Amino acid sequence: SDDLTQPPSVSVSPGQTASITCSGDKLGDIYTCWYQQKPGQSPVLVIFQDNKRPSGIPERFSGSNSGNTATLTISGTQAMDEADYYCQAWDTSTVIFGGGTKLTVL
Amino acid sequence: QVQLQESGPGLVKPSETLSLTCTVSGGSISSYYWSWIRQPPGKGLEWIGYIYYSGTINYNPSLKSRVTISVDMSKKQFSLKVSSVTAADTAVYYCARAPLRSHSFDIWGQGTMVTVSS
Repeated sequence: SDDLTQPPSVSVSPGQTASITCSGDKLGDIYTCWYQQKPGQSPVLVIFQDNKRPSGIPERFSGSNSGNTATLTISGTQAMDEADYYCQAWDTSTVIFGGGTKLTVL
Repeated sequence: QVQLQESGPGLVKPSETLSLTCTVSGGSISSYYWSWIRQPPGKGLEWIGYIYYSGTINYNPSLKSRVTISVDMSKKQFSLKVSSVTAADTAVYYCARAPLRSHSFDIWGQGTMVTVSS
């Protein structure tokens, strides 16, 4: 997959479910991961290998990947989840990032 | 716990070479991919390249002609050089670690801002 496409912005009300998509040709054939980045901070890995959570990441973060789309889902979204989110894939020897999605918790 | 720390000049003149070093502390440099990633102000993340501890290297095709990544196992450091820089190379530069077969970067440095300006 040469390009990963994310929506520029997603809005969600506190306590609701937020879904952020990442699209790319045959993306489901390779692993996708997700990073959260808050202003002035380094990215933090929140999902790896499509649907695994690193230690310390809350259970409300989950992921899926099938066909041409990977999805990051945040259940029971909290104000602290407001951030930029980036998908990333590792296609043989090349690493690709999506353009990023700004999640706003209204 | 493993920590990564970028170091290098914060200001580079156009047409010169940008040089950064990432020091790994609190863990081994073996059996991991070590990568450089950058983020222009207000923009998204761009992968620059990675080096495996054994020496395998891959670069972003869009930067390949200007980028060199190397590793010094004895110092537990890996380095980045970007030649012929322009204002478009102004960015926060991050170093990051990817465990073998994880296909993701689990530890990141704090990032260092590099400005290209005369």
